[in-house]
Amino acid sequence: DTGVSQNPRHKITKRGQNVTFRCDPISEHNRLYWYRQTLGQGPEFLTYFQNEAQLEKSRLLSDRFSAERPKGSFSTLEIQRTEQGDSAMYLCASSLARTGGGTDTQYFGPGTRLTVL
Amino acid sequence: AQKVTQAQTEISVVEKEDVTLDCVYETRDTTYYLFWYKQPPSGELVFLIRRNSFDEQNEISGRYSWNFQKSTSSFNFTITASQVVDSAVYFCALSEPMEYGNKLVFGAGTILRVKS
Repeated sequence: DTGVSQNPRHKITKRGQNVTFRCDPISEHNRLYWYRQTLGQGPEFLTYFQNEAQLEKSRLLSDRFSAERPKGSFSTLEIQRTEQGDSAMYLCASSLARTGGGTDTQYFGPGTRLTVL
Repeated sequence: AQKVTQAQTEISVVEKEDVTLDCVYETRDTTYYLFWYKQPPSGELVFLIRRNSFDEQNEISGRYSWNFQKSTSSFNFTITASQVVDSAVYFCALSEPMEYGNKLVFGAGTILRVKS
């Protein structure tokens, strides 16, 4: 059973450049989440998708950030005009949301560590 | 707003000692879910347990046990007979029910160092 995968694992870029990260969720999972984690902190929610629909975006997600999940499978997170404050670990998680209430468990990928010089 | 507090920034123990990681949460919801995740040096968050607000039974899984007390809004995690491989950052998290998105609110984490 393949887990959540993320690429690249590390990205170093210069301020002002655009970067794109990819997340491949567990195959049958219909929900996909993006989180950001800075040093010494817990992950913070950025956005999530149910299938291909982006249902919620955090205030942390500025206009320079955009996420897509075009066919309800993999997702991309793009950051335009990167700033040094964007340096962080970007984590992707997926889950299987079932009807009838309750909750689903999110399974995380290894993350993409972004360094903006 | 939901909030999770892990007051212990870092804990160091010697192998075979028992250790308890504290987690206190705040929420106005009557239905909510609590989680613990482990983040080893490799960086990937590993799911350990989830608990819903209606189930206050303690749970034991091998050397791990969890104590959920709604009266004190706490969900503490105990490792019995700690091992070096337990060294990691442990996160407690809180979520809304699924129909509200289920996004996780994490605490700042507790670094556990187990020395041989």
